[in-house]
Amino acid sequence: AQSVTQLDSQVPVFEEAPVELRCNYSSSVSVYLFWYVQYPNQGLQLLLKYLSGSTLVKGINGFEAEFNKSQTSFHLRKPSVHISDTAEYFCAVSVAGFQKLVFGTGTRLLVSP
Amino acid sequence: GAVVSQHPSWVICKSGTSVKIECRSLDFQATTMFWYRQFPKQSLMLMATSNEGSKATYEQGVEKDKFLINHASLTLSTLTVTSAHPEDSSFYICSARNRGRSDNQPQHFGDGTRLSIL
Repeated sequence: AQSVTQLDSQVPVFEEAPVELRCNYSSSVSVYLFWYVQYPNQGLQLLLKYLSGSTLVKGINGFEAEFNKSQTSFHLRKPSVHISDTAEYFCAVSVAGFQKLVFGTGTRLLVSP
Repeated sequence: GAVVSQHPSWVICKSGTSVKIECRSLDFQATTMFWYRQFPKQSLMLMATSNEGSKATYEQGVEKDKFLINHASLTLSTLTVTSAHPEDSSFYICSARNRGRSDNQPQHFGDGTRLSIL
């Protein structure tokens, strides 16, 4: 079975500082990887996805993530965060050929002035 | 594109009431829709997978008679919480995948429904 681990439940950071949100997964087969963002009382919005090809994936709002197969990681990064980036971020994995998404427990990014 | 609308966004009702939540794909056809439940400050838990024209597939531990799912068309799935009780209070989120695309297409999420049972 697949699983996703987001080691940091909360990441505080100052505005304009860089940030990295960590995500590790476990799977014995090929997977697709996703990062979603959730603002308060809203659904999830897709930030970016890794399906195949280049291991560096660029998404919306200046975010990017790098797929590292040997470390089974898919960390999310942004070089300079804004107050508006304050939200909950979820890493998710799905097995190629299947439809279900398995989510991590989420990381709350808190950006302060 | 790929907009999913969920209605209502907030429901407050008395214990014993049945509540229906709608999930619509506005600009695409969704063969498959998913229903999730999210507790405060926790991740999303998949409740069931809804396929158009067939019975939903429920995850282990989810009562199918409690959470009725109907996927009547390629753009609409409904979740009915029957005889709701306070422990059913939660944030319910639906998602949909585009019909006819390969299996690597992402799920598109609605904005969720906050259900509060008094």
